Amino acid sequence: QQPVQSPQAVILREGEDAVINCSSSKALYSVHWYRQKHGEAPVFLMILLKGGEQKGHEKISASFNEKKQQSSLYLTASQLSYSGTYFCGTVLQGAQKLVFGQGTRLTINP
Amino acid sequence: NAGVTQTPKFQVLKTGQSMTLQCAQDMNHNSMYWYRQDPGMGLRLIYYSASEGTTDKGEVPNGYNVSRLNKREFSLRLESAAPSQTSVYFCASSPLRDRSYEQYFGPGTRLTVT
Repeated sequence: QQPVQSPQAVILREGEDAVINCSSSKALYSVHWYRQKHGEAPVFLMILLKGGEQKGHEKISASFNEKKQQSSLYLTASQLSYSGTYFCGTVLQGAQKLVFGQGTRLTINP
Repeated sequence: NAGVTQTPKFQVLKTGQSMTLQCAQDMNHNSMYWYRQDPGMGLRLIYYSASEGTTDKGEVPNGYNVSRLNKREFSLRLESAAPSQTSVYFCASSPLRDRSYEQYFGPGTRLTVT
């Protein structure tokens, strides 16, 4: 059951904020966020476990709303280095397997 | 500490040829994974190995076989390559399987089947 990410793509100017959403139709155990720069491997950002927690990583943070089966990734005061494709991955409750969304391409312009 | 390494980095095959993609990790991880990445499709799991000696199918296993040679190495074999297998292949590893653990990805193998 692939999670759905929105938007599919976003273009920002340096310093602007962005929000990327990840939704599931089934109950989630955990949400994983990765960033992939063009031509490179995905790199882990953070994991959120059920319990509605919020985590942060530099100026990148995320929340997990269990009731809505949704996670949001927040990029504050975006930097050029934030450009890339962001993937969420979800693990359903009672399951072990991580399934990735289709990705959100983020472009930061000077 | 090299992390996850993959060979080769690039490969061009003709339809019907076979090849093996190699993956090794030096982090003493138990679990290893093979993904393929196609434009607009995200990362799709082909096979995984939760621990040494075990392998299981993922979302898109048809046309592939795997071998968990030892704790460090996990190979992916294409017995008879097809153009639909043109993709970027990533190997990944994690301390334990999925749920609460981050995965570490290798640099990828870019495969073209003509």
